[in-house]
Amino acid sequence: EAQVTQNPRYLITVTGKKLTVTCSQNMNHEYMSWYRQDPGLGLRQIYYSMNVEVTDKGDVPEGYKVSRKEKRNFPLILESPSPNQTSLYFCASSLVYSGEQFFGPGTRLTVL
Amino acid sequence: GDSVTQMEGPVTLSEEAFLTINCTYTATGYPSLFWYVQYPGEGLQLLLKATKADDKGSNKGFEATYRKETTSFHLEKGSVQVSDSAVYFCALKLIRDNYGQNFVFGPGTRLSVLP
Repeated sequence: EAQVTQNPRYLITVTGKKLTVTCSQNMNHEYMSWYRQDPGLGLRQIYYSMNVEVTDKGDVPEGYKVSRKEKRNFPLILESPSPNQTSLYFCASSLVYSGEQFFGPGTRLTVL
Repeated sequence: GDSVTQMEGPVTLSEEAFLTINCTYTATGYPSLFWYVQYPGEGLQLLLKATKADDKGSNKGFEATYRKETTSFHLEKGSVQVSDSAVYFCALKLIRDNYGQNFVFGPGTRLSVLP
C-alpha cells in the first residue's frame, strides 16, 4: 500500500529535550516536505527537499532541522524544543513538480 | 509575501445545498492552485488542482476555476452530502529561482453538512 508514515503519532516532551520525528514514504517520490498545522493558521511549510541531499527552508524553519540522506526518509529534528513548537506536524511527499502531495497521518507534539 | 486567503468558517449547510468556499491569493510569478480536504483525524488529500489561468479543476462533484484577473480559485459543489463534512484548504505552489517548490496554504474552512 502506497503511504507516508510518521512516528511517533503523539509525543509529550519538555523544553530543551532534543527529539526527532521520522517520516518515510514508499512511493519513490523525490519531493518531501514538513508542515505544522495550527488553529487559524492552516498549514505552514517548515522545510522541503527536492531530492536526496537537497533541502531548503519553507516559511517557518526557525528551531527545526532536517536531513535527506535516503530518498524514502525525511526526519524532522527539534534540537531544543520550546512550547511555541507545540503543534500538529505533517509530512508529505510527491513526485517532483507534481503538486499532488500525499500526507502522513500527523504527529501531535506537546512541549511543556 | 505570498499568501492565500479563505472565507471564514465554519460553514454549515443542509444536505443537497449549494456550496461555495471563496479563495483568493497573492503571489509573485505564476502559481499552481490546489484544493485539499482533511477529514477528521486524517492527513490532507488532494481534491483538485489547476496549473494555469482559466483551467478548471474538478473531482467528486467539486469544481474550481483558476481566475488570474481576480486572483481567485473558489470551490463549488452543486449538492453537498453529509460525507463532505471536512476542512477544506486552498493552496498555491510556486517554483523558486533555485527550482525549489514552495507551498502556501490558506487557514482552512470547516464545512459541516447536516442531514
